[in-house]
Amino acid sequence: TQLLEQSPQFLSIQEGENLTVYCNSSSVFSSLQWYRQEPGEGPVLLVTVVTGGEVKKLKRLTFQFGDARKDSSLHITAAQPGDTGLYLCAGGSSGTYKYIFGTGTRLKVLA
Amino acid sequence: GAGVSQSPSNKVTEKGKDVELRCDPISGHTALYWYRQSLGQGLEFLIYFQGNSAPDKSGLPSDRFSAERTGGSVSTLTIQRTQQEDSAVYLCASSLTPAGDTQYFGPGTRLTVL
Repeated sequence: TQLLEQSPQFLSIQEGENLTVYCNSSSVFSSLQWYRQEPGEGPVLLVTVVTGGEVKKLKRLTFQFGDARKDSSLHITAAQPGDTGLYLCAGGSSGTYKYIFGTGTRLKVLA
Repeated sequence: GAGVSQSPSNKVTEKGKDVELRCDPISGHTALYWYRQSLGQGLEFLIYFQGNSAPDKSGLPSDRFSAERTGGSVSTLTIQRTQQEDSAVYLCASSLTPAGDTQYFGPGTRLTVL
């Protein structure tokens, strides 16, 4: 059974601080997605990474896919209150439509 | 354009009752997913529809759960004889094509079973 563990589960930081969220598995994935979910809404896709070692940047967010395609990280620089939400990673396998979702990291950024 | 819509947004029911949850995907999207999310947790896959192909029901937790998709568009998730452990947010997502395409999620239906 493929599992994706995220850490930390909860994170409360002050505005302006940096943070990193991790997504780990013992399984290899062909792609890894990161989503952000706000209360009362569905998850919204932030990024998809598909190549081992790939790094993608989205403004203050930096996403990295591990060399072995078993893990990923999300780094936020100078966090803002608008970054508050539930961050989910999801792993996909080649040729399949089914994504395995991680356990989630709940981030709260205090003004 | 319109996104994925779900109704109702909230549903409170008594244990043992049946409930129907509705999903309207984005027009033209051939793939449709149902997920369950318990209290701020990750998403649990329930069922997948793709065009006219037989659905993948491998994630349905029991035979009390069923889903259908009519005309390749609207989908209904039915839970019979609801139990308290069925309380969760039920999310629907659609994508233009299957494997690897972006999933667009609806806002979910929060189900509470008393």
